[in-house]
Amino acid sequence: DIQMTQSPSTLSASVGDRVTITCRASQSIRSWLAWYQQKPGKAPKLLIYKASTLESGVPSRFSGSGSGTEFTLTISSLQPDDSASYYCKQYNHYWTFGQGTKVEIK
Amino acid sequence: EVKLLESGGGLVQPGGSLRLSCAASGLTFNSHAMSWVRQAPGKGLEWVSVISGSGDSTYYADSVKGRFSISRDNSKNTLYLQINSLRAEDTAIYYCAKLVVAAIDGHFDYWGQGTLVTVSS
Repeated sequence: DIQMTQSPSTLSASVGDRVTITCRASQSIRSWLAWYQQKPGKAPKLLIYKASTLESGVPSRFSGSGSGTEFTLTISSLQPDDSASYYCKQYNHYWTFGQGTKVEIK
Repeated sequence: EVKLLESGGGLVQPGGSLRLSCAASGLTFNSHAMSWVRQAPGKGLEWVSVISGSGDSTYYADSVKGRFSISRDNSKNTLYLQINSLRAEDTAIYYCAKLVVAAIDGHFDYWGQGTLVTVSS
């Protein structure tokens, strides 16, 4: 099974800050990685797929990069609406989620 | 607009059974594989099961294999999850999610709002 490890588990940043979340796969998943945003009590929302492709309608301050085993999600200028949990998910072999990163606004 | 609406959750005793449903609209249902993902209270996301657009291929996470059964009725645009021999650790919100293609491949682009299953005596 492919394991996904996200870091950090929580982060606190100010509005306007650049924020980076890292996701590592236990083996190469090529570029088969997606990122989701989940707000409390809501369903996950797709942000990025194939490691770096922005889903339609998602603000351009979100970006993804990486391939193989190392991936990052970057929020270029943190906004109050970005307070949420973020999950990476590999889909190279079935589907496995990272444990999530909770982003808080200072 | 794609909409996925889950139902069928509730409180059930250990060892009991439930059948979850996910009604889909705004899409050509049989053109998309569908999946179930669950989230235990305060925890992360766990993939549970997937079914192809035609319904002829299914896969399960090891944690539910032999106890859960996924199916779909393309004439009713509805996805199902039969869950048997329920355990306390099955307590979770169960989400249905749509894949972008009919084959069992790719990412999930739309999710329902979830239905809560609570296993307790």
